[in-house]
Formats: sequence, C-alpha cells, structure tokens
Amino acid sequence: SQTIHQWPATLVQPVGSPLSLECTVEGTSNPNLYWYRQAAGRGLQLLFYSVGIGQISSEVPQNLSASRPQDRQFILSSKKLLLSDSGFYLCAWSGTNTGELFFGEGSRLTVL
Amino acid sequence: QKEVEQNSGPLSVPEGAIASLNCTYSDRGSQSFFWYRQYSGKSPELIMSIYSNGDKEDGRFTAQLNKASQYVSLLIRDSQPSDSATYLCAVNLGNFNKFYFGSGTKLNVKP
Repeated sequence: SQTIHQWPATLVQPVGSPLSLECTVEGTSNPNLYWYRQAAGRGLQLLFYSVGIGQISSEVPQNLSASRPQDRQFILSSKKLLLSDSGFYLCAWSGTNTGELFFGEGSRLTVL
Repeated sequence: QKEVEQNSGPLSVPEGAIASLNCTYSDRGSQSFFWYRQYSGKSPELIMSIYSNGDKEDGRFTAQLNKASQYVSLLIRDSQPSDSATYLCAVNLGNFNKFYFGSGTKLNVKP
C-alpha cells in the first residue's frame, strides 16, 4: 500500500531564517506531488505541484520554492522566512489512474 | 472568483440526524469531485470521490453531483459526535494535476 511521510511535524523559526520541509512517498512510482498551505481557520492553498523529477509548477508567487530531486521526494524551501509564512503545510500525492489526492501528516510552521 | 465555495458553518445537528453539506464550483470543465474530513490539527482524509452525475453511497455517506448546476453535496446519515470535524470539498480540473479546495464547513454533532 502507498504511504506518504513528511517532516518535521512542528517547527518554530525566526523571521529571516531558512526553511526545508521534506516529503516522501512509498509504494508507488511517478506520483504527482503537491504542497499546500493552510492558514489558521482557512482552506487549503495550492503552492506547488510536480508531475515528475525536476518538473515544478508554482501556483502563486511567494517566498517559497519547491524541488523534486527524486521520483518520490518533494522538498519545500525558503531562503528567508516571513511572518506570513506561518501555517500548516501539507504534502500530498495523487496517482494518475485514480485521480484521488492523499495527504501526509502535515508540518506546522510558526515564524516568530 | 473562488473556484470552490462552501458555507463555513458551523452546522450543528443532533446525534442520529442527517447532516447535509454543500459545495459549488465555478469551472464547468471540472471532472472529479472529492470530500475530505479534517479533524482539528490533523491533515485531511479522503471520504468520498465522485465523477459522474447522481448519487454515490458508501456506508453512512452519500455524495451527490449535479454538473449542470455545478453543485456537489455530502449527506451523512445517523450523524455521530465523532463526525464533528471540518469537511472540505475539492475539485479537480480534469487533468489530474490540480486540486482546488473550498474553505470547509465545520460540522458539530451534538450528543
């Protein structure tokens, strides 16, 4: 069966510090991968999606970037965090056959 | 214009009642529709997916899709306190590459 993991689960970072969130998927190959952000009490905002290694599409201009160095690995980064980057970050994957989206456990980021 | 819209709630129903959650979407090219449940502080989990007009039942859950009206709903029968959560509606634009979510409806099931 397929599983998705992301880490760290929680982090508190000062403004201006770098960020790296990592996500890996097991049990499937060539998944579509996604990063979403959920601000407190809000819906899910699509940040990035990837259909293959090195292929990244950005939904909104922002202080973040994404990379996919391996087929089942997706990384979210920032060089300098802003207060507005605080939120609940969710990695997700979908298979091209089922079209369903499955989420990791999430990473809660607080920028102080 | 928001792609997916939901009433934020909260929707309060007594235990054992039917909870009805609604969602509208703006893009007529949308092909796939999903309902997710999200408990506070947790990640969303998939409850139902529906791809064609009509009803789809899975246990206590029924998803209903009306593409002409651009409307999708979720019915929860025999609601339980454990169903208390935020329910997110999601739409895929047909290429399996982009999933857009509504802001969610908070459901409270009172014992």
